[in-house]
Amino acid sequence: GQQVMQIPQYQHVQEGEDFTTYCNSSTTLSNIQWYKQRPGGHPVFLIQLVKSGEVKKQKRLTFQFGEAKKNSSLHITATQTTDVGTYFCAGLSGGGADGLTFGKGTHLIIQP
Amino acid sequence: ETGVTQSPTHLIKTRGQQVTLRCSSQSGHNTVSWYQQALGQGPQFIFQYYREEENGRGNFPPRFSGLQFPNYSSELNVNALELDDSALYLCASSFTGYNEQFFGPGTRLTVL
Repeated sequence: GQQVMQIPQYQHVQEGEDFTTYCNSSTTLSNIQWYKQRPGGHPVFLIQLVKSGEVKKQKRLTFQFGEAKKNSSLHITATQTTDVGTYFCAGLSGGGADGLTFGKGTHLIIQP
Repeated sequence: ETGVTQSPTHLIKTRGQQVTLRCSSQSGHNTVSWYQQALGQGPQFIFQYYREEENGRGNFPPRFSGLQFPNYSSELNVNALELDDSALYLCASSFTGYNEQFFGPGTRLTVL
């Protein structure tokens, strides 16, 4: 079945540094979504990318979808303590009968 | 606008027992998906319901079953509980299919 790999598993940064997490799928995706989960919380939707090579920005967050629609990245510029949490990518392939496949997430830890 | 709600918040069961978890979707959403999230892992898709029919299923055994009601609320039933079923069970609703998922707070199930 479809697999979604996410790296790194953990990332420690100093406040103000940049952060990037990468997502790779074993199959071509029809769309990819990104979610953030705070400790003790539930996943919250950030964005959905659909088109090959798509780039979307939300303030300090930049999301990219690869040309082959098999990989994606999330980049945060100048991290803040409010960015702490786990970032998940979730891919959808084919007709979606297998549902969204989530990666294991990247845990972002910020040191003030 | 009411968000996704789930009950109960926490539940402790013993091996072999059966459990029913409940979810009320966000108003205006007709699609409900269920996910299992083990500690430190990403959510894993169990199944999705649309208009009271199962619309997609992940790699879970038949002892995981569900229902969707005419008001779009949903239940997840798990029979013959195993220790590995201990996890956070998340319900998510959406306007359509696998687009932006609105997650509820989850039910923490512990199987002893």
